[in-house]
Amino acid sequence: GENVEQHPSTLSVQEGDSAVIKCTYSDSASNYFPWYKQELGKRPQLIIDIRSNVGEKKDQRIAVTLNKTAKHFSLHITETQPEDSAVYFCAASNYGQNFVFGPGTRLSVLP
Amino acid sequence: KAGVTQTPRYLIKTRGQQVTLSCSPISGHRSVSWYQQTPGQGLQFLFEYFSETQRNKGNFPGRFSGRQFSNSRSEMNVSTLELGDSALYLCASSLWGSGTGDAKNIQYFGAGTRLSVL
Repeated sequence: GENVEQHPSTLSVQEGDSAVIKCTYSDSASNYFPWYKQELGKRPQLIIDIRSNVGEKKDQRIAVTLNKTAKHFSLHITETQPEDSAVYFCAASNYGQNFVFGPGTRLSVLP
Repeated sequence: KAGVTQTPRYLIKTRGQQVTLSCSPISGHRSVSWYQQTPGQGLQFLFEYFSETQRNKGNFPGRFSGRQFSNSRSEMNVSTLELGDSALYLCASSLWGSGTGDAKNIQYFGAGTRLSVL
């Protein structure tokens, strides 16, 4: 079955700096890769997603890149702000089924 | 449009008891997935229901079961509770099969039910 690894487990950055979180997956059949943000005590919220036929997708300060050959995808947050502090989860899925989540990255943006 | 609703929000049970959790998906969503979230294990997939049928199942013991009704509402049952079952149980719904393009893959999460087993 699918296995998703995520690094780093914790990440601290200064406000205004960039943050990068990396995930690798094992199943080449996976073709949909969402990223979720979970603030303390709240539900996971989708922040960006990418399909396997796209190499990069951007939404304001957030971007995701996908390397199908190497089976890894990354989340990039630029100009970080204190409200970006949260736990971020990557996931891999096959046509919207069998979602496998990474263990999460706790991002702290320091003022 | 109302979001995914889970009830109850909090539950306290003792070992050996059983518990039923409920999830009402977003209107029009036919796929409902359940996850167990613990601090050390992240989000672990339990099972997914689509059109009243269990379509996918994770690696959890048979004490964990679920079902889906004709209105897409889903319930999850855990029998013979163990201390290790203490966790946040999240459900997520999606349009899978009903929508078009990328939108049908997106999972929307409920706020979860926090289960404490004493």
